[in-house]
Amino acid sequence: DVVMTQSPLSLPVTLGQPASISCRSSQGLVYIDGNTYLNWFQQRPGQSPRRLIYKVSNRDSGVPDRFSGSGSGTDFTLKIRRVEAEDVGVYYCMQGTHWPRTFGQGTKVEIK
Amino acid sequence: QLQLQESGPGLVKPSETLTLTCTVSGGSISSSTYYWGWIRQPPGKGLEWIGSIYYSGTSYYNPSLKSRVTISVDTAKNQFSLRVSSVTAADTAVYYCARDYEVLRYHSDYGMDVWGQGTTVTVSS
Repeated sequence: DVVMTQSPLSLPVTLGQPASISCRSSQGLVYIDGNTYLNWFQQRPGQSPRRLIYKVSNRDSGVPDRFSGSGSGTDFTLKIRRVEAEDVGVYYCMQGTHWPRTFGQGTKVEIK
Repeated sequence: QLQLQESGPGLVKPSETLTLTCTVSGGSISSSTYYWGWIRQPPGKGLEWIGSIYYSGTSYYNPSLKSRVTISVDTAKNQFSLRVSSVTAADTAVYYCARDYEVLRYHSDYGMDVWGQGTTVTVSS
């Protein structure tokens, strides 16, 4: 199985400041079509997960442009340019290249 | 607009079988090219993929759960279901259904992009 390792697991951030979450996979995530199927999800308290980023760096419809994804190979990053109060929650990376699908442990973003 | 809705009992006794159903609206399971999946989240913990199925019956499971899990499809009802046998307290979780990736994927923008609201299952006597 592909192990997804996130860091940090807890991220206190001051409003208006940037935040960055790392996700590392235990093996490469390039699919046979040449794409890397690495997703980022946001889960606000009491809500279902919501996909924010797909294929490493593509924002889903309605996702603010302060969210960005980057990376390649086995190292990936989610960045929030300026954290807002509504960004509080847990963020997960997930690989959709291999079976079984696997998620990172989650990173809890909170306001200082 | 595609929507998924989980349903099933909120309480299951230890050693019994848990059965949940995901009803798909706004699209047809049998005319789609997607896998359809189940994911769970124990209280206060992270997300765990359980398994996914294509309408033809082709399925994949999490190796850690494979011996106790069965996912099936009912195309007439536009539903897919999850069965977990011999449940214990460790199976207590919120269970989500979601649209997985296409079976024949090529530069796809989809995959785990649509989720249900989740249903809470407690295993207790």
